[in-house]
Amino acid sequence: SQTIHQWPATLVQPVGSPLSLECTVEGTSNPNLYWYRQAAGRGLQLLFYSIGIDQISSEVPQNLSASRPQDRQFILSSKKLLLSDSGFYLCAWTTGGGAPNSPLHFGNGTRLTVT
Amino acid sequence: GENVEQHPSTLSVQEGDSAVIKCTYSDSASNYFPWYKQELGKRPQLIIDIRSNVGEKKDQRIAVTLNKTAKHFSLHITETQPEDSAVYFCAANTGNQFYFGTGTSLTVIP
Repeated sequence: SQTIHQWPATLVQPVGSPLSLECTVEGTSNPNLYWYRQAAGRGLQLLFYSIGIDQISSEVPQNLSASRPQDRQFILSSKKLLLSDSGFYLCAWTTGGGAPNSPLHFGNGTRLTVT
Repeated sequence: GENVEQHPSTLSVQEGDSAVIKCTYSDSASNYFPWYKQELGKRPQLIIDIRSNVGEKKDQRIAVTLNKTAKHFSLHITETQPEDSAVYFCAANTGNQFYFGTGTSLTVIP
């Protein structure tokens, strides 16, 4: 069966520090991968999605970036965090390769607090 | 792009009553509509989904209906229980993209 791992679970970082969040998926090949952010009590904001290695689409231009160095690995990064980057970051995957009607499966999330 | 609207934003019901959450979408190319339940501090989890060639789907106390002509779909929870209290999100899928509603906070009062 497929599983998604996301770490760390919680993170407290000072303003201006770098960020690296990692997500890996097991049990599937060529998944579509997504990074979402959720502010407290709010909805799901799509940040990036990827349909393959080095194929990344950015939905929200800001100080965040994403990379997919391997088929089942998705990394969210920042060179300098802002206070507004605080939130709950969720990695998700769905079946790729053009397979229709496949649900998103979310990781457990990373709660980031920028101080 | 797709725009998904969700109502109500908050909903309180007595235990045992039914709850209905409604969503509308704008892109007729959307063809898959999942619903997620998110408990406080946890990840969203899929509870039910419906494809565009189906009008209704039921799984125990949960049902979803889809009206393609009107571009709206609804979640129905019957015989609500306190453990149904959570935030519920609808979504519409077009190609590789998932567009989410803004969420409904459901409270079931014992």
